Amino acid sequence: DTEVTQTPKHLVMGMTNKKSLKCEQHMGHRAMYWYKQKAKKPPELMFVYSYEKLSINESVPSRFSPECPNSSLLNLHLHALQPEDSALYLCASSHMGTGSYYEQYFGPGTRLTVT
Amino acid sequence: AQKITQTQPGMFVQEKEAVTLDCTYDTSDPSYGLFWYKQPSSGEMIFLIYQGSYDQQNATEGRYSLNFQKARKSANLVISASQLGDSAMYFCAMRGVNTNAGKSTFGDGTTLTVKP
Repeated sequence: DTEVTQTPKHLVMGMTNKKSLKCEQHMGHRAMYWYKQKAKKPPELMFVYSYEKLSINESVPSRFSPECPNSSLLNLHLHALQPEDSALYLCASSHMGTGSYYEQYFGPGTRLTVT
Repeated sequence: AQKITQTQPGMFVQEKEAVTLDCTYDTSDPSYGLFWYKQPSSGEMIFLIYQGSYDQQNATEGRYSLNFQKARKSANLVISASQLGDSAMYFCAMRGVNTNAGKSTFGDGTTLTVKP
């Protein structure tokens, strides 16, 4: 099973709403990632979790709050977003290992629109 | 610091022909990995092929091959016998041994259109 699932597929939220994006993988990967992607642009890394601990935060505004409840799940909590936060949010996972470079497996993404 | 350059914003290819997508990179890491991903309009990024910097042979995966020229710092993707389903955006990416674990550097991508 090389699948990463993400829910919801689409999300429309107002600037005062609170919502969460969910990501799940069952490949035994111990690294999980959140990316933000604008149309026709490369994905931008937001957060990395390694062994369920936050290892990288790319100076993301606090209105985005990641959570890794266990090795298979990754959440992104959203609060008081701005219209410019509208984008495709991609979750990914990969193995980890010193001296090795593992490919990432991506989910289908959540298309977020902030109104 | 690492940098990936994809100089072709858009490419067209006739169905059943081969196409090469260019990727050049710059890094000070002594060891690194290079990746290609495909992103159809549906949004999901799909891993295609991987090349390690110390691999002696060019990587191949089905219709995909990677033309790796280390001295030139290039890692071009070759797609043989193009199919309509190959129409997508293609990203070249890399990770280095000195990069924070988990960080990949992506190029700006190339949009490939396969014509029937």
